[in-house]
Order: sequence, then structure tokens, then C-alpha cells
Amino acid sequence: EAGVAQSPRYKIIEKRQSVAFWCNPISGHATLYWYQQILGQGPKLLIQFQNNGVVDDSQLPKDRFSAERLKGVDSTLKIQPAKLEDSAVYLCASSPFMPSLAGELFFGEGSRLTVL
Amino acid sequence: AQSVSQHNHHVILSEAASLELGCNYSYGGTVNLFWYVQYPGQHLQLLLKYFSGDPLVKGIKGFEAEFIKSKFSFNLRKPSVQWSDTAEYFCAVTPANQAGTALIFGKGTTLSVSS
Repeated sequence: EAGVAQSPRYKIIEKRQSVAFWCNPISGHATLYWYQQILGQGPKLLIQFQNNGVVDDSQLPKDRFSAERLKGVDSTLKIQPAKLEDSAVYLCASSPFMPSLAGELFFGEGSRLTVL
Repeated sequence: AQSVSQHNHHVILSEAASLELGCNYSYGGTVNLFWYVQYPGQHLQLLLKYFSGDPLVKGIKGFEAEFIKSKFSFNLRKPSVQWSDTAEYFCAVTPANQAGTALIFGKGTTLSVSS
């Protein structure tokens, strides 16, 4: 079974530039998450999708971050304009919509962003 | 609001030493508890989980964790660590029986094992 695919793996940009990250979840997984992991901290949820609808985006900085999952499969996370504090690893995860598996997430390898 | 606290930021052990990593959570209801591990250069992966039943759960690679409800704790243990256990360990919590719920993670503990 293929895992969660993310690209690009690494990105270096200057502040005020824009960047986009792509994620393709495991086939059949209805729920998709974007987490931000800053160095030395645990992953923090940015946005959660159920199929193509947003479940939770309460911690997404909406003035600069946006995300979409138009067809309920792959997803894109965009940052525009980037700030220095956005330097982090952006993790995509997916899970099947099953109460018996609540909380069991499958993660991609992450996209490491460096903002100069 | 839910939160997870991991007591140790960086643990350094020699091979064959015993390991215990502390984790406490804050949440008023029934929870599912997890330990995730991230080996160097690899993605986060599930180490073990507790949903209900026996509070002592066993995971991969000889790890186990004990859920103590009265202490809101879910500590990770391993009797004898190996060099290959060098990794970052994250404790996480989510409300029980709610499909598609996001995980709340602790800040993580870096484990360094010397051979």
C-alpha cells in the first residue's frame, strides 16, 4: 500500500515570497490533516479536511495560509506571504473515517520550509 | 482545551539501559492515547496506542506503555534500549470514539542511545 506522498521535500524562500505544498493521502482515506512542526516542538494542527470539507481550521493563520482539497483526494497548502516564523516542517497525514481507528494517523515525510 | 505534556526534552542512555518517558494529558473525557516515533530521516509512525481495556499496552520493538487514569498519564517504557531506538518520541491524545479527530501532540522527547 502506498503511503502519504508529499512534495516538495525541501523549499528555501525569502520572506514575503509564496510557497505551495502538495499532499496525496493514502487511497480511500477520507480525512486529511496538515500539521506544522517547528524545530523543538510537537506537530500542531493547521487544518483538517473530511473529504473535501473543512472540519477544523481554527489554528490556521488565514491571513497568509490557505489550503484546499477540491476533489476530496489530494490537497495543497499555500503560504503567501511567508514570514521568518513559518520556517518549519509541514506534515500531511491521512486516516480512514472509522471510530475504531480514531487518532491513528498515517504521516508523510514532510516538507521542510526555510524562510530567509 | 486538550493538552499533552512530556516531561523530558532530551534523554541520553547507554545501550541496555532501561527507558521511561513521561507523558501527562489534560482532557475531561475519555481519550485515546498514542506514542508516535520519528527515526532520523523518516516519517512519524505509530509506536503503540491505547483505546480501552488493559491499561498496559504493548507496541512494536519491545516498547510498552501504561495508562494510569487517576494520574492522567501514559508513560512509555522499554526494559533495554538499543542504539536503533535513537529517535524522537511524541505522546498524543484524541477524544475517544470520534472518527476523524485530529491528534494533539506533546513537544516530544529526543532519545539518544550510545553504543
